[in-house]
Amino acid sequence: DTGVSQDPRHKITKRGQNVTFRCDPISEHNRLYWYRQTLGQGPEFLTYFQNEAQLEKSRLLSDRFSAERPKGSFSTLEIQRTEQGDSAMYLCASGGNEAFFGQGTRLTVV
Amino acid sequence: EDKVVQSPLSLVVHEGDTVTLNCSYEVTNFRSLLWYKQEKKAPTFLFMLTSSGIEKKSGRLSSILDKKELFSILNITATQTGDSAIYLCAGGTSGTYKYIFGTGTRLKVLA
Repeated sequence: DTGVSQDPRHKITKRGQNVTFRCDPISEHNRLYWYRQTLGQGPEFLTYFQNEAQLEKSRLLSDRFSAERPKGSFSTLEIQRTEQGDSAMYLCASGGNEAFFGQGTRLTVV
Repeated sequence: EDKVVQSPLSLVVHEGDTVTLNCSYEVTNFRSLLWYKQEKKAPTFLFMLTSSGIEKKSGRLSSILDKKELFSILNITATQTGDSAIYLCAGGTSGTYKYIFGTGTRLKVLA
């Protein structure tokens, strides 16, 4: 399967813990995006990479969130000191002109 | 602030009906408009539109963009129960290439 791959698919964590998600984009895509989606809402932009450079980060994004794409291939999104409000689906997408989504990581903070 | 607004928020139709979903946008440095179908998982790409007035078509689905009036429509003809989903549109910006999503239209097709 050469689509966008995310891991894990589901994560349950206790409030205050740190979590890290991984995204493997489609190999020829140099653009990679992270989005967050909650129930009844469209995906909300978090951050965007072109190759290894993080070119934009949402102003709404707390300092507890950080993303990396060290070699311009896979990316990680870390959330430190998780809060219940962080519970959401975290979506990764990669693309050229379009954007193709992975299956997402569903985070539940208890 | 950039925004994308979709209407209606939800729609219930019967199999065989034709539906039109609307998307209006206000996106700085607009580059493209994307349509997605979302069932119980991640959004699946449908169309990318960059030019006004040129219809894109895939089977029973078609879409068109009006860059003067800043909107797009997605048409689905002869709807089937498998078309039941949330349909999302997103405005893409040049420069950063990020996409701003609407909240989606929830379509339910009854047998």
